[in-house]
Amino acid sequence: DAGVTQSPTHLIKTRGQHVTLRCSPISGHKSVSWYQQVLGQGPQFIFQYYEKEERGRGNFPDRFSARQFPNYSSELNVNALLLGDSALYLCASSLEAAYGYTFGSGTRLTVV
Amino acid sequence: RKEVEQDPGPFNVPEGATVAFNCTYSNSASQSFFWYRQDCRKEPKLLMSVYSSGNEDGRFTAQLNRASQYISLLIRDSKLSDSATYLCGGVTDSWGKFQFGAGTQVVVTP
Repeated sequence: DAGVTQSPTHLIKTRGQHVTLRCSPISGHKSVSWYQQVLGQGPQFIFQYYEKEERGRGNFPDRFSARQFPNYSSELNVNALLLGDSALYLCASSLEAAYGYTFGSGTRLTVV
Repeated sequence: RKEVEQDPGPFNVPEGATVAFNCTYSNSASQSFFWYRQDCRKEPKLLMSVYSSGNEDGRFTAQLNRASQYISLLIRDSKLSDSATYLCGGVTDSWGKFQFGAGTQVVVTP
């Protein structure tokens, strides 16, 4: 069975550009969450989606947006990139939160 | 105050020794706690769930103390391969919002 898949694996963007990160959850998982992890810190919660609806949003600016599609895949969009947006972006899916989340291998974004 | 907090360490542990560390949470309504292991530049991987009654998986024991709002992880007979960052996480609202601590680094030395 395929795990959580994320694309691309690595990305280099210039300040001010826009980026779209993609995530496919484990088959049957309807909940998808996005996290930002800066080196040396724990994953910071960005968004949670369940059944295509936003269920939670972390403390991130409006430059960050996301959506979930009918097939439960998800996109994370970041506009007007800043150097500080350089991080590992992790997507995680869950059948139900009580069972824990499974993470994809992440997208490493570098903003120059 | 962060919803989930951990001592970042590092905890330097001789091979074969026992190490234990905690994670505290601020929202008493939080539920469904987990320990994850994260290797350098890799994604977090689920290590074990944490129950009030405590649970054990081989050399690993996890415990939840609701009264004091902390969870713990104990590693017995530490192996070099246990060197990693251990993240605690919990469901912090009714929608299943899952938040992590900053992670505790464990370094097992020969």
